[in-house]
Amino acid sequence: DIVMTQSPDSLAVSLGERATINCKSSQSVFSSFHKRDYLAWYQQKPGQPPKLLIYWASTRESGVPDRFSGSGSGTDFTLSISSLQAEDVAVYYCQQYYSFSYTFGQGTKLDIK
Amino acid sequence: QITLKESGPTLVKPTQTLTLTCTFSGFSLSSNEVGVGWLRQPPGKTLEWLALIYWDDDKRYSPSLKSRLTLTKDTSKNQVVLTMTNMDPVDTASYYCAYRPPGTTGGVFNHWGQGTLVTVSS
Repeated sequence: DIVMTQSPDSLAVSLGERATINCKSSQSVFSSFHKRDYLAWYQQKPGQPPKLLIYWASTRESGVPDRFSGSGSGTDFTLSISSLQAEDVAVYYCQQYYSFSYTFGQGTKLDIK
Repeated sequence: QITLKESGPTLVKPTQTLTLTCTFSGFSLSSNEVGVGWLRQPPGKTLEWLALIYWDDDKRYSPSLKSRLTLTKDTSKNQVVLTMTNMDPVDTASYYCAYRPPGTTGGVFNHWGQGTLVTVSS
């Protein structure tokens, strides 16, 4: 299985400031055939199911605010929130869908400082 | 509008078989490239993908759970059924079904059910 490791496990950012979450895969999730990285980001608020934010490492899902952006390639990826809003408090997960078992990172808990 | 809803028992005994049903609306599982997946999340832990069934009835299972899982679909009822045999307390989790849209590859899910908490205990 591809192991996904996120850092940090938790972070606190002031409202309006930038938040950055990192995700590292144990092997490359880049497909030379499709020329894309098979990496997604999800947001999960308490008591709710996950919500897809980003796929193909940097493509924003429809309806997701543009303050959310994804970057990276190969084994190293980043989710950035450019100006943190109160409603962004959540746990964020990265996921590889390059190979079964479509593994997730352990999650990063984001709070307001 | 795409919606999905999981249904099934909230409590099962060890060694029993769990049967969960995902009832969905807003799409057809006979449409090209569409899929429905199952995932779970133990309390306070990360997500784990379990299985995925495609529009053409192709099925994929988590390698670590493959021997215990079976997926079926009933396109006329808009339902997907997951069975998991030989349940154990470590299988206690919220179980989600989710929609895999066309135009993506593999297990990307952009609509999720609310989930159902299944507890395994004697």
